[in-house]
Amino acid sequence: EIVMTQSPATLSVSPGERATLSCRASQSITTTYLTWYQQKPGQAPRLLIYGASTRATGIPARFSGSGSGTEFTLTISSLRSEDFAVYYCQQYNIWPWTFGQGTKVEIK
Amino acid sequence: QITLKEPGPTLVKPTQTLTLTCTFSGFSLSTSGVGVGWIRQPPGKALEWLALIYWDDDKRYSPSLKTRLSITKDTSKNQVVLTMTNMDPVDTATYFCAHIVVYPLSVGPDYWGQGTLVTVSS
Repeated sequence: EIVMTQSPATLSVSPGERATLSCRASQSITTTYLTWYQQKPGQAPRLLIYGASTRATGIPARFSGSGSGTEFTLTISSLRSEDFAVYYCQQYNIWPWTFGQGTKVEIK
Repeated sequence: QITLKEPGPTLVKPTQTLTLTCTFSGFSLSTSGVGVGWIRQPPGKALEWLALIYWDDDKRYSPSLKTRLSITKDTSKNQVVLTMTNMDPVDTATYFCAHIVVYPLSVGPDYWGQGTLVTVSS
């Protein structure tokens, strides 16, 4: 099973600042099969990024993804109030598909 | 417009069997490259894949839960059913179903249902 490790567990950021979230895979995965999700309390995850760097429909340009192999990054260029949430990376290259444990982005 | 919906909150007793039905619209599970999967999330914890089924009836199960899970589809009713046997309090979680696209453009799980809370307690 591919283990996805996200860091940090919690990120305290002020509105307007940049947030950088990391995701590391225990073995190399094909870039095509890496996604990022945003989840708010009581809601389902929302797809932000697929293929490691492609924004899903309707996702603002302040969200960007990058990386390859075992190291991936989600960047939020200028945080807005609605961006404070938990973010998960996921690989669907090899079954079982696996999620990271999440990074909580909170207001500083 | 793609939507998926799971049933309302469910209470099951230990050792009982859980049956969840995902009812969807806006796509067909007979279309090449499309699948539906089930994911769960214990309170305050991370997400975990349980099972998925593809348009061609190919199925995948979580290795750790494989002996307890069964997934089936009814294309005519636009439904996917997940069965989990021998429920335990540690299975208490919110269960989500999700639409998956792997072909021709691989997007993965994109649309999700709102989730249903399953509580296992005597």
